[in-house]
Amino acid sequence: QVQVTQSGAEVKKPGSSVRVSCKASGGTFNKFGISWVRQAPGQGLEWMGHIIIVFGTTNYAERFQGRVTITADESTNTAYMELTTLRSDDTGVYFCALDTDLGDDSLDTWGQGTMVIVSS
Amino acid sequence: DIQMTQSPSTLSASVGDTVTITCRASQHINTWLAWYQQKPGKAPRLLVYKASRLESGVPSRFSGSGSGTEFTLTISSLQPDDVATYYCQQYDSSSWAFGQGTKVEIK
Repeated sequence: QVQVTQSGAEVKKPGSSVRVSCKASGGTFNKFGISWVRQAPGQGLEWMGHIIIVFGTTNYAERFQGRVTITADESTNTAYMELTTLRSDDTGVYFCALDTDLGDDSLDTWGQGTMVIVSS
Repeated sequence: DIQMTQSPSTLSASVGDTVTITCRASQHINTWLAWYQQKPGKAPRLLVYKASRLESGVPSRFSGSGSGTEFTLTISSLQPDDVATYYCQQYDSSSWAFGQGTKVEIK
């Protein structure tokens, strides 16, 4: 049974950057894919990007291109999402979600979410 | 990018009713479609993957169907525990996307 633990809440100033971590326990980390999904207050889910751990390849949603970077450290079974040039509308809960099934990319295991508040 | 459109945005039904949520893709996505359930303050939960395959542990009253551009999630015999927002998500292209969500309430 794979479990996921995300880092704690962050409060950031506009223009700064934030890095959120996502640590997986159980399973074989380098067989996973990991997506990051944002949820603004009272809004729906927004896919930000994905990394395939074994290849180190990433894909990003067009609206986040140039501002988001997703990485993974196999030595610590931890993935990271960094978002730069923060604005107030980046406020929200950021989820990491894993696809642990080799034959399918659906997101079967989710972290608890990390609240990021961007405010001056 | 492929856009996902869900309908309705909100639905209200009685306990025991059968409810259906529709998700349309702007391009063909074969069966690379998942459905998630999200309760307030919680992370989403995978219900259905590859359009019609039920995730382990999900009650059998949930079912998914469809292929190409039109998909449905059906909840037969709606239960109070099913009150939640439901999202579809395509993972066919290199850029994935969620639908805007459907909030399910009990009358």
